[in-house]
This record gives sequence, C-alpha cells and structure tokens, in this order.
Amino acid sequence: QKEVEQDPGPLSVPEGAIVSLNCTYSNSAFQYFMWYRQYSRKGPELLMYTYSSGNKEDGRFTAQVDKSSKYISLFIRDSQPSDSATYLCAMSAVGGTSYGKLTFGQGTILTVHP
Amino acid sequence: NAGVTQTPKFQVLKTGQSMTLQCAQDMNHNSMYWYRQDPGMGLRLIYYSASEGTTDKGEVPNGYNVSRLNKREFSLRLESAAPSQTSVYFCASSAIGGETRTYNSPLHFGNGTRLTVT
Repeated sequence: QKEVEQDPGPLSVPEGAIVSLNCTYSNSAFQYFMWYRQYSRKGPELLMYTYSSGNKEDGRFTAQVDKSSKYISLFIRDSQPSDSATYLCAMSAVGGTSYGKLTFGQGTILTVHP
Repeated sequence: NAGVTQTPKFQVLKTGQSMTLQCAQDMNHNSMYWYRQDPGMGLRLIYYSASEGTTDKGEVPNGYNVSRLNKREFSLRLESAAPSQTSVYFCASSAIGGETRTYNSPLHFGNGTRLTVT
C-alpha cells in the first residue's frame, strides 16, 4: 500500500463548479501538507501549504487537513478553464532527518470546460 | 528571477550511454532534490542534498549518482542508461536547513528534463 493515495481521475467539470480533490495517507509522522499544481510540460508549482490540522484559505482555494482521519482536501470554488491541470498532494514529516523530503500522491488530472 | 533552472530540457540516449542532468537555483536555498515522475507513480525522490557537501539517497537511487557542486548547483548522473530510466526528471530546492534551522519550507521545482532511453 502506498503511503499517500490520490484518485487520479480524470475529473471533468463545467466552469463555475466547485471542485474537491482528496488524498489519504497512512504515515502519522506527516505534519506538513502541500498541494501543487502542474500544467502540461511544466514543473509542479506550490499552490497551498498547511502545517498540521485545520483549514487554510487563499482566494478561490481552500486546503483542509484532518489528521484524525489521515485525510486532506483541496477545494476550488468558481473553477475556471485556467485551473485545468494536474493537482498533486504532497506531505512530509518535520524536523530530524526529514529535510523536506516529500511524499507525493499520484496526481489528479482536472479539466474545467467553458 | 529564474528560480530553479534545469538543462537540458529534452534528451534521447541509447542504452548504456551516460549523461549528466544539470540543476541550478538562485534562491540561496540550502536543500536540493532530484525527483523522477512516471505515469501513475507520482513523483519519487531519487537523491537529496541537505547542505553543500552532503548527499543522501531517496526512494529510488539505484542507477544514479549526484554531486552537490556548490550551494547553487546539484547534478544528477546516469552512468549507464537503461530503458527503465525513461522518465521526466525534476530538480527542486528548499530553504529547509542551514544556519537558521528552517524546518518548514516548501519545495520549488524546475520545469524538468524529459529523458528517453532507447
């Protein structure tokens, strides 16, 4: 079983829809959670990061972490065609020898059509 | 502001050939990483360097070597390329570590090197 599981999709939604992307994980040492967005033929770019449990909002994006369930989510409100990309969840332990080594989900391919 | 720069962007090798992938960052980051990305597998860590002069193995190090040439540059070498090493390779850097003992800092990625081994 992989440490981080993410539904690869693909996910196709109409413009303006609310999108929910999810990951589950098994390693309880993970405390630092990130969402990356990756456009075709580009590197992943950081979208959101949160430390430990809770919610974090940035414009149309909300990241949610539930450590008790080992479950993280990314919500996109009022989705736009420019949001079409692959979304990767990533997480790491903190301190010690973790040195920011990230464990990634497989990525979810999202298409927002006009 | 270039961020993380990788060269080359594309490369085709024959089985058994060698090559070095170059990576440089201009953000004065302490830590640098090499990942590979394969369909259905996400990104997997090959090697990382927590500081200048140190390197450590990640999840999939076999068949690769690395050099942290200085604080800015971190190269990945394939000594004898195999078809299983066909992948997209990403370099990343982070402010983690160093004199400030930063523990929480995201990774910043380059745009990748697309490698095909025939």
